[in-house]
Amino acid sequence: GQSLEQPSEVTAVEGAIVQINCTYQTSGFYGLSWYQQHDGGAPTFLSYNALDGLEETGRFSSFLSRSDSYGYLLLQELQMKDSASYFCAVRVLYSSASKIIFGSGTRLSIRP
Amino acid sequence: DAGITQSPRYKITETGRQVTLMCHQTWSHSYMFWYRQDLGHGLRLIYYSAAADITDKGEVPDGYVVSRSKTENFPLTLESATRSQTSVYFCASSDPNEKLFFGSGTQLSVL
Repeated sequence: GQSLEQPSEVTAVEGAIVQINCTYQTSGFYGLSWYQQHDGGAPTFLSYNALDGLEETGRFSSFLSRSDSYGYLLLQELQMKDSASYFCAVRVLYSSASKIIFGSGTRLSIRP
Repeated sequence: DAGITQSPRYKITETGRQVTLMCHQTWSHSYMFWYRQDLGHGLRLIYYSAAADITDKGEVPDGYVVSRSKTENFPLTLESATRSQTSVYFCASSDPNEKLFFGSGTQLSVL
């Protein structure tokens, strides 16, 4: 089976930097994604890593180490609007198709 | 309008009734997914489909049925609803190895 572990809650201060970690155990791993979800809304895509290393998109960066089955999402210059839940997700190959499995999510709270 | 739409937005039903949640996408994405979201469990995969007429079970398929006769539609049916199926249901679509686009969700209450 597949499993993903991420912290359930993280608190940070406006303007600071926060890192949300994700470890996974899966066979047929293809890539790691991150999604953001505000209360009452649908998840929206943030980033995707298929290869080892850092991917940067504005204030958000994502890192992957395939050998360690580990990744993280880095949020810089935190803003109050970044208060949301963040999910890591793995795309795995199964039979001749691929599926996407999500972690339980990390609730990020930003303090002024 | 292009996008992915779910209906209904809210649904209240009784135990034992059959319920169908609809999902329609206009991008012609090959992949479609159904997830349920409950507090403390994140998003759990119910069923997914790699193309029309190709569906497969996810993590929590029991009590659910799907079909995909057309690329753009992926309905999810609860054959005999139970209280444990009270949840928020999200449909999503993607091209192979691309990001997911989610619908707005269906909030289902089974009384």
